[in-house]
Amino acid sequence: TQLLEQSPQFLSIQEGENLTVYCNSSSVFSSLQWYRQEPGEGPVLLVTVVTGGEVKKLKRLTFQFGDARKDSSLHITAAQPGDTGLYLCAGGGGSEKLVFGKGTKLTVNP
Amino acid sequence: EPEVTQTPSHQVTQMGQEVILRCVPISNHLYFYWYRQILGQKVEFLVSFYNNEISEKSEIFDDQFSVERPDGSNFTLKIRSTKLEDSAMYFCASRPRKNIQYFGAGTRLSVL
Repeated sequence: TQLLEQSPQFLSIQEGENLTVYCNSSSVFSSLQWYRQEPGEGPVLLVTVVTGGEVKKLKRLTFQFGDARKDSSLHITAAQPGDTGLYLCAGGGGSEKLVFGKGTKLTVNP
Repeated sequence: EPEVTQTPSHQVTQMGQEVILRCVPISNHLYFYWYRQILGQKVEFLVSFYNNEISEKSEIFDDQFSVERPDGSNFTLKIRSTKLEDSAMYFCASRPRKNIQYFGAGTRLSVL
């Protein structure tokens, strides 16, 4: 069974601080997606990484896929209150389904 | 921007009743999915659908569940006889190509 563990589970920081969220597995994934989910809504796709070692930037967000394709990280620079939300990683393997982590609930205080 | 649309946003039903959750995937997508998220838990895969048939299903997707694409636009999830533990957010997703799935806003199912 493929599992994705996200850490930390909760993170509360002040506006302007930097943070990193981790997504780890003992399994290899062919791709990793990062989603953001607001309460009562569906996950919204932020980025997909598919190559080991790949780094993608989305404004102040930097996503990295581990060399062995078993882990990923999301780094946010100079966090803003608008970054508050639940960040989910989801792995794609050889099958159709996505395997989700439990998420990191980020709160950025003004 | 095209999006996956789900209706209703909230469905309340009595235990043992049948419910149908509806989804309109993004129009040029060919692969469709249902996931569920019990409150406070992970998003879990239920079923994938391609070319008018189920391509993969999880152990959650038992005989009480069925999916259908009755016309060229809708994709439905039916639960035949709902149980209390079916209460969850149900998300529909669709994809244009491998590894990128786009999710709807979800239907909150409350079984009383």
